[in-house]
Amino acid sequence: KAGVTQTPRYLIKTRGQQVTLSCSPISGHRSVSWYQQTPGQGLQFLFEYFSETQRNKGNFPGRFSGRQFSNSRSEMNVSTLELGDSALYLCASSLQQGPYNEQFFGPGTRLTVL
Amino acid sequence: QQQVKQSPQSLIVQKGGISIINCAYENTAFDYFPWYQQFPGKGPALLIAIRPDVSEKKEGRFTISFNKSAKQFSLHIMDSQPGDSATYFCAASSGNTPLVFGKGTRLSVIA
Repeated sequence: KAGVTQTPRYLIKTRGQQVTLSCSPISGHRSVSWYQQTPGQGLQFLFEYFSETQRNKGNFPGRFSGRQFSNSRSEMNVSTLELGDSALYLCASSLQQGPYNEQFFGPGTRLTVL
Repeated sequence: QQQVKQSPQSLIVQKGGISIINCAYENTAFDYFPWYQQFPGKGPALLIAIRPDVSEKKEGRFTISFNKSAKQFSLHIMDSQPGDSATYFCAASSGNTPLVFGKGTRLSVIA
């Protein structure tokens, strides 16, 4: 069974631009969560989607948004990029929503904001 | 506010030795404590997890010890191998909250 795939793997943007990252969960998984990973802050939860609905949201500004499609694929968008948005963005999928369900992480998208 | 504190930040262990990573949490509502392992260029992968109704869980060379009264839990890697060299993250959550991660421990196992 294929794992979680994320595209693109690497991205370079400049301040003020916007970016869209994509995540394809493991087949059959209906929950997708997004995390931001930085050396200073570690892994921080962005949001979780299940059945096309946002179920939980982390403490990030409104510039960070996401959505989930009927096939469970998910996208996250960051508008008006700031230098501090440079990070590894990880997507994780699980069979059902909620933290008790094992999350399978993708390899991440490395975003660099110049 | 960091809800899960992980230590040490980095750890060097001789091959065959025991690696110990500690985490402390604040939220007494937390009832699920997983550990994740991350290799360079890869996403984290679940290693082992524990619920607070047990004080210890062992899977192969990996053991979680849990102390509910002290609000602490730790990962022990017995007979550490160079292939165990990775970054380890502890995490915690309750049913209503997403996973809160520690900041990670970079483990290097040297021969």
